[in-house]
Amino acid sequence: QLVESGGGLVQPGGSLRLSCAASGFTFSSYWMSWVRQAPGKGLEWVANIKQDGSEKYYVDSVKGRFSISRDNAKKLLSLQMSGLRAEDSAVYYCVRDSYGGDFVEGFDYWGPGTLVTVSS
Amino acid sequence: SYVLTQPPSVSVAPGKTARITCGGNSIGSKSVHWYQQKPGQAPVLVIFYDTDRPSGIPERFSGSNSGNTATLTISRVEAGDEADYYCQVWDSSSDHWVFGGGTKLTVL
Repeated sequence: QLVESGGGLVQPGGSLRLSCAASGFTFSSYWMSWVRQAPGKGLEWVANIKQDGSEKYYVDSVKGRFSISRDNAKKLLSLQMSGLRAEDSAVYYCVRDSYGGDFVEGFDYWGPGTLVTVSS
Repeated sequence: SYVLTQPPSVSVAPGKTARITCGGNSIGSKSVHWYQQKPGQAPVLVIFYDTDRPSGIPERFSGSNSGNTATLTISRVEAGDEADYYCQVWDSSSDHWVFGGGTKLTVL
């Protein structure tokens, strides 16, 4: 199970930290990702992180503004977002990513999502 | 960057077969995953690794991938299959996950 928290209303240029609590699987064995979906739009992958945190990748539009991290002991995934823009408004999903690092499994577990609204 | 192209919409009568395509440069060399998303819900993985079905997904859902096109096929379509469908690949050249734009399946 994956449960996100931390969403809300934030002003342009502001910051927000999303968290995702994982349970029911060996969290430390999987890559983890964040995926977002703007209202009425399609899915957009945001970032992912390797099991030990040694590799992190980001979609170009959030590089330098967002930072993904994880705490395997607490089974917690985080997304620190700064310099927020209106176009960052979306439902943010925490998802379980690859086990083996070959990315052939797809995203088999998704959280219910948390809504981020960037507006003045 | 790698681009996946899906038709915006597909319509099919109940009991018929729906085919949703996902186009990409040499997509046949990549592993394609497919998701179903109903309004107000998180997406659900319906096909992974081109052709594999997660447990709990009906056999009516199948996938194929060759050349520049991957296809999600839904046989004996039911009203409950009406949803948005997304394809996805890992682009190893950029270390990015890429989603297609999504296809709205309408059951007539």
